[in-house]
Amino acid sequence: GDSVTQTEGLVTLTEGLPVMLNCTYQTAYSTFLFWYVQHLNEAPKLLLKSSTDNKRTEHQGFHATLHKSSSSFHLQKSSAQLSDSALYYCALSDRDSFNKLTFGAGTRLAVCP
Amino acid sequence: GPKVLQIPSHQIIDMGQMVTLNCDPVSNHLYFYWYKQILGQQMEFLVNFYNGKVMEKSKLFKDQFSVERPDGSYFTLKIQPTALEDSAVYFCASSLRTGEYEQYFGPGTRLTVL
Repeated sequence: GDSVTQTEGLVTLTEGLPVMLNCTYQTAYSTFLFWYVQHLNEAPKLLLKSSTDNKRTEHQGFHATLHKSSSSFHLQKSSAQLSDSALYYCALSDRDSFNKLTFGAGTRLAVCP
Repeated sequence: GPKVLQIPSHQIIDMGQMVTLNCDPVSNHLYFYWYKQILGQQMEFLVNFYNGKVMEKSKLFKDQFSVERPDGSYFTLKIQPTALEDSAVYFCASSLRTGEYEQYFGPGTRLTVL
């Protein structure tokens, strides 16, 4: 079945440094990839999405590029802010399912002053 | 932006009792979902629901689970009877359509089964 791997459970970095959160996936089908962000005690919210190979997608200073050749959809930002501290989930849905999302384990990003 | 509400935010019940988790989805959305997240683990799909029917369910969606949305009111997840392993945070989500359409999530209901 489908699976999503986020290798880092916790990423801690200093404000102003670049952010990169890894996401790789496995699926037998044509796929949509998503990044969701969850701040403390809030609902997960969509940050980015893509289904187009090698096309960069951007939102709120974050960007990601879907690379089907390496099955990756890494999340990046050039300069971390304190407000970026949150839980980040990578997820996929395949075109053959009724929008069922398969989530990774999540990466907690902690940005320090 | 659009919001999904979940009631209650926390629920503590004794094993064997029935529990109903309520979700108020985005008003014009057509597809509804429940996800389960056990503490320290990833969020996992339980079920999706469209036009009054379950479209797809996972192996986590046991026989004791049921969903419904009577007359366009709350989208509910009922567990009867509950078991200790049902303790988790349950997230409701809704979307206008499938595919690339965003799923809007609620803040979750934390269920503790004693």
